[in-house]
This record gives sequence, C-alpha cells and structure tokens, in this order.
Amino acid sequence: QKEVEQNSGPLSVPEGAIASLNCTYSDRGSQSFFWYRQYSGKSPELIMSIYSNGDKEDGRFTAQLNKASQYVSLLIRDSQPSDSATYLCAVNSVGSGNTGKLIFGQGTTLQVKP
Amino acid sequence: GAGVSQTPSNKVTEKGKYVELRCDPISGHTALYWYRQSLGQGPEFLIYFQGTGAADDSGLPNDRFFAVRPEGSVSTLKIQRTERGDSAVYLCASSLKRQETQYFGPGTRLLVL
Repeated sequence: QKEVEQNSGPLSVPEGAIASLNCTYSDRGSQSFFWYRQYSGKSPELIMSIYSNGDKEDGRFTAQLNKASQYVSLLIRDSQPSDSATYLCAVNSVGSGNTGKLIFGQGTTLQVKP
Repeated sequence: GAGVSQTPSNKVTEKGKYVELRCDPISGHTALYWYRQSLGQGPEFLIYFQGTGAADDSGLPNDRFFAVRPEGSVSTLKIQRTERGDSAVYLCASSLKRQETQYFGPGTRLLVL
C-alpha cells in the first residue's frame, strides 16, 4: 500500500462546477497536509495547507481533513479552465526525526472544460 | 521576492558521466530538500539539509548520489556514473524551518542518454 494515495484521473468537470479531489494516507502520526498544484512542465506550487481536523477555506479553495479516516480533500469552487493541472497531495512524514520531508501522492489530473 | 532557483534548467548527459545540479534556496531558509520526480509520479524525497548538515539522506537511491551544502545556503546534488534510470526532474525546495511550508524551485530536467 502506498503511503499517500490519489486517483490519477483525469477528473473532468465543466467550467463553473465544483471539483473534488481526494487523498488518503497511511501514517496515522502525520500532522501536516498540503495540496500543491503542478502545471505541465512546471514545478509544484502550494495551494493549501491544513493541520487540524475540519475545513479550511481560501478563496475558491477548501481543504478538508479527517484524521480519524486518514483522509484529506480539496474542493475547488467555480472551476476555471486555468485550474486545469495536476494536483498533488503531500503529507509530512513523521518518521526520521520529524525532518519535515513530504510524502507525495502520484497526483490527480484535473481538466476543466469551457 | 526571489524564490528558489535551480541550475541548469536542463541537462543532457551520457551514461556513465558525472553531473552536478545546483540549488539556491530562498534567503534565510535554513531547511533545504531535494526531491526527484519521474513522469506521471509525485515527487520523491531524496535528502534534507538543516543548515550545513544532511539531517536525513534516507531517500538517496544508492551511493552514486551525494549532496552538499557547505555554507548552509546553496546546495549541490552530485550524481556519479549516471544511468538512464536517473533521468527525471530534480526538484529543490526550501522552508524557513523544518516542518514549515516548502517552496519549490523550477527543477532541473536531467536526461541520461
């Protein structure tokens, strides 16, 4: 079992719809969770970080964390074609002395169709 | 402000050659991370520096890979006797302190022929 799992997609949504991206993780001790956006040929760009159970909203983006279920999600409201990218879920690894190294899922490709 | 920079942006080399990849972190960031990303995959951790020391090198795949950060700022990832399987994008990230938000550089795309 991979440490961080995401559906690779592609997830296709129409413009203006809500896109829902999901991620599960295996390390129960993980405490920091991140969503990065990666355009083709570019490096990852931080979208959201979340550290406690519940929802965290920033503009059109909402991150949701459920530590009991080991589940983290990202909702994108009013999706735009410019949101089309790969979304990477990353979890702070608790092992190795809490160095802060991130364990990434393989990413979900989102396509927003005009 | 200046972000993380990496040079070169692209590197093509032949199997068996030695390569060096450079990372300039954000000024003042003490934590520096190297990751490797293969096509269609998420980044995989290679090594973490806190200051000048390699605090966690558990992700380095074998002893052909080595990294340094002699003055606690710029870091160089060194790969000896390159193999075709080393072809990937090598990403560097820095954070103010360990466990804080990591900011990624543009990456170096390495192709081993």
